[in-house]
Amino acid sequence: AQTVTQSQPEMSVQEAETVTLSCTYDTSESDYYLFWYKQPPSRQMILVIRQEAYKQQNATENRFSVNFQKAAKSFSLKISDSQLGDAAMYFCAYRSSSGGSNYKLTFGKGTLLTVNP
Amino acid sequence: EAQVTQNPRYLITVTGKKLTVTCSQNMNHEYMSWYRQDPGLGLRQIYYSMNVEVTDKGDVPEGYKVSRKEKRNFPLILESPSPNQTSLYFCASSSQRGPQYFGPGTRLLVL
Repeated sequence: AQTVTQSQPEMSVQEAETVTLSCTYDTSESDYYLFWYKQPPSRQMILVIRQEAYKQQNATENRFSVNFQKAAKSFSLKISDSQLGDAAMYFCAYRSSSGGSNYKLTFGKGTLLTVNP
Repeated sequence: EAQVTQNPRYLITVTGKKLTVTCSQNMNHEYMSWYRQDPGLGLRQIYYSMNVEVTDKGDVPEGYKVSRKEKRNFPLILESPSPNQTSLYFCASSSQRGPQYFGPGTRLLVL
């Protein structure tokens, strides 16, 4: 079974600075998807960014980018120019592309990001 | 606006009183799923559905039922709720290769 590990339970960053959240995963598959979701105090799960394993290019969405290292099974999230609204719990998630009809997401435990003014 | 909606958003009930949490998506997604989120346990899948009339168990299906009579709707049914089903519930939907989009969540308290 796949597992997702987020080794940083909490992180903090100064407003306008850059922060990197770590995620590692364990899988024997070669094709899969990786995601970062944000959960602010409202508890809504918001998609931040996605990466398809067959794509070597790292995904970028505005201030958010990933460092995808397939051989190392690492998928870190970099947030540039941090804003107060970035404060949230961040979840790394894995989805197999060969899971039959179940597109189940396997989540890490989350990293709580605090942004200091 | 593309979205997943859930109702109710908050619910307090008593043990044994049947309840239904509705979920609807307007993105024409084939796949829908229910998760529950609990402190220390993270998000766990309850049930999923690949299409109309096609449903299957996830990791923690005990005490829950689902149905998929229409593509857009995927209600979660608790026939006889118990206190250990107190949780935050999320409905999600996706296309085959797309990301899952989540509803706003339903906070359930079973007394």
